[in-house]
Amino acid sequence: AQTVTQSQPEMSVQEAETVTLSCTYDTSESDYYLFWYKQPPSRQMILVIRQEAYKQQNATENRFSVNFQKAAKSFSLKISDSQLGDAAMYFCAYGGEGGTYKYIFGTGTRLKVLA
Amino acid sequence: ETGVTQSPTHLIKTRGQQVTLRCSSQSGHNTVSWYQQALGQGPQFIFQYYREEENGRGNFPPRFSGLQFPNYSSELNVNALELDDSALYLCASSTAGISYNEQFFGPGTRLTVL
Repeated sequence: AQTVTQSQPEMSVQEAETVTLSCTYDTSESDYYLFWYKQPPSRQMILVIRQEAYKQQNATENRFSVNFQKAAKSFSLKISDSQLGDAAMYFCAYGGEGGTYKYIFGTGTRLKVLA
Repeated sequence: ETGVTQSPTHLIKTRGQQVTLRCSSQSGHNTVSWYQQALGQGPQFIFQYYREEENGRGNFPPRFSGLQFPNYSSELNVNALELDDSALYLCASSTAGISYNEQFFGPGTRLTVL
């Protein structure tokens, strides 16, 4: 069975600085997707970034980028130029079977942004 | 384009009661997944519906059941409520049948069981 582990329950970053959130996963599948979701206090899960396992190039979305290490089964999220609005829970998620089936989520990392 | 909506936003039930939660999928989506998010935890997959049929189920007992309607909206029913059923219930819609589909989440229903 697939598992997703986020070992950092909470992280803090100074506004305008860079922070990296860690995620490791376990799977025997070769084709899958990895996601980072943001969940602010409003509870709405918002997709931050996704990575297809077959792509070697790390995904980037504006200030958000990932470090995808397939052999190590590691998928970290880097947030550059942190803003107060980035404060939220961040969940790493695994989607197998072409992403059509269930997502498996980690336990989340609470990110605090300090002014 | 209308996003995923869920109703109600909050509700309070007592142990042993039954509850129905509703989800309207995003326009053009044919698949609905339900997740349970306990306080301080990540969402856990309950089940998924595709073309009105259950298309996979997580580790939840049979008292968790669902429906999908021809317009792709969905219901989650929970019978014989237990205190541990208190959680945020998230619905996500997507489009099956393409190589990649992103699940779009609704705002959730907060269920409290007393």
